[in-house]
Amino acid sequence: AQSVSQHNHHVILSEAASLELGCNYSYGGTVNLFWYVQYPGQHLQLLLKYFSGDPLVKGIKGFEAEFIKSKFSFNLRKPSVQWSDTAEYFCAVISPDKRRYQKVTFGTGTKLQVIP
Amino acid sequence: SQTIHQWPATLVQPVGSPLSLECTVEGTSNPNLYWYRQAAGRGLQLLFYSVGIGQISSEVPQNLSASRPQDRQFILSSKKLLLSDSGFYLCAWSSWGASPLHFGNGTRLTVT
Repeated sequence: AQSVSQHNHHVILSEAASLELGCNYSYGGTVNLFWYVQYPGQHLQLLLKYFSGDPLVKGIKGFEAEFIKSKFSFNLRKPSVQWSDTAEYFCAVISPDKRRYQKVTFGTGTKLQVIP
Repeated sequence: SQTIHQWPATLVQPVGSPLSLECTVEGTSNPNLYWYRQAAGRGLQLLFYSVGIGQISSEVPQNLSASRPQDRQFILSSKKLLLSDSGFYLCAWSSWGASPLHFGNGTRLTVT
C-alpha cells in the first residue's frame, strides 16, 4: 500500500527565511502528487499538484515543489516565507489507474510557524 | 464554480446520542464524495467514500456510517456516539479519476 512520510512535524522559521518541507512516498510507479495547505481556522486547500511533465511545479503564493522520481520525493519550497504562511501543510499521493475512484494517501502534516 | 457546504461547524454531543453531519456540493454532477477525520499529528484518515448515489465504501470499521441519498449530498451518521468519536470531520469532493480533492470547512465534534 502507498504511504507518505512528512518527517518534519513542526517547523519554526523567521520571516524571510527559506522553507523546505520534505515529502517522501513509497510507491515506485506512476504517481500524482499534491500539496495542500490549511491556514488557521480555514479549510484545506490545494497549493499545487504534479501529474506529469516539468518536475518543478509552481503553485500559489510563491510556493513550488520538485518531483524527484529517483528519491521518491516531492519537497515543498519557498524562498522567503511570510508570517501569513503560518499553516499546516499536507503532502498527498495518488497512484492512478483507470478506475473512477482513486485513493488519496496523505502524510501526517507539517505545522509551519513563521515568527515576525 | 463548484462549492461545498458542510454543517454544522461545531457540535457538542453526549455519549450515546445520535449523530448526523451533512455535506452538499454545488456546481458539479456525479462527484466522488469523501468523509475524512483529521486528528492532530496523524494527518487525514479516510472514513468513507462514494462514487455514486447509494454507493458507499468504508475504509475503516467503526461506530460511524455514511449515506448518499442524492447525487450531491453526503451524510455521516452514528446511532450512538462514543467518546473516541470526538474529532474534526471533513467532507470533500473530487471529479472522477486522479483529481484533487476539494474540502469543506469541517465539523469539530466533541463527545462529552
